[in-house]
Amino acid sequence: GENVEQHPSTLSVQEGDSAVIKCTYSDSASNYFPWYKQELGKRPQLIIDIRSNVGEKKDQRIAVTLNKTAKHFSLHITETQPEDSAVYFCAASMGGAQKLVFGQGTRLTINP
Amino acid sequence: GAGVSQSPRYKVAKRGQDVALRCDPISGHVSLFWYQQALGQGPEFLTYFQNEAQLDKSGLPSDRFFAERPEGSVSTLKIQRTQQEDSAVYLCASSFREGGTEAFFGQGTRLTVV
Repeated sequence: GENVEQHPSTLSVQEGDSAVIKCTYSDSASNYFPWYKQELGKRPQLIIDIRSNVGEKKDQRIAVTLNKTAKHFSLHITETQPEDSAVYFCAASMGGAQKLVFGQGTRLTINP
Repeated sequence: GAGVSQSPRYKVAKRGQDVALRCDPISGHVSLFWYQQALGQGPEFLTYFQNEAQLDKSGLPSDRFFAERPEGSVSTLKIQRTQQEDSAVYLCASSFREGGTEAFFGQGTRLTVV
């Protein structure tokens, strides 16, 4: 079945700098790749997603890139702010199978 | 409702006790998922419903776990004879149609088995 690897497990950056989180997936049939942000004790919330027919997607300070050939996708956060501190999860899904397979998570800390 | 609602938020069960966890999805959402999230880990898939039909239960860890969604709306995840390894946050998510669209998560039920 699908397997998603996420790196790094922890990331600490200075406020205003950029943060990059990377994920690889194993099943070439996966075609939907969401990113979730989870604050302590709260629900995972979708921050951005990308589908396999697109190579890059941006939403203000957040961008996601997808390389289908290499089977990896990345989250880029620019101009980081303290409120960006949270755990971020990548996930992959095959449309027909519905379920999301999550990475292990990255704990992002923004230092003021 | 405004979002996916789960109850109870916290549940402490003695080992061997049965528990029932409830999920109220967003009104009109066809798809409903249950995930298990261990401390410090990503959510892991348990089971999936499309309306009242349970189309995938491959993630249920044992026959002590049972889920239902009899009227295609509210869902219940039942765990029989709870064990310590069942301690986790159980997350419910719903989406408007089948996979490939945004899944909205509930806040989860934190189950602690003592």
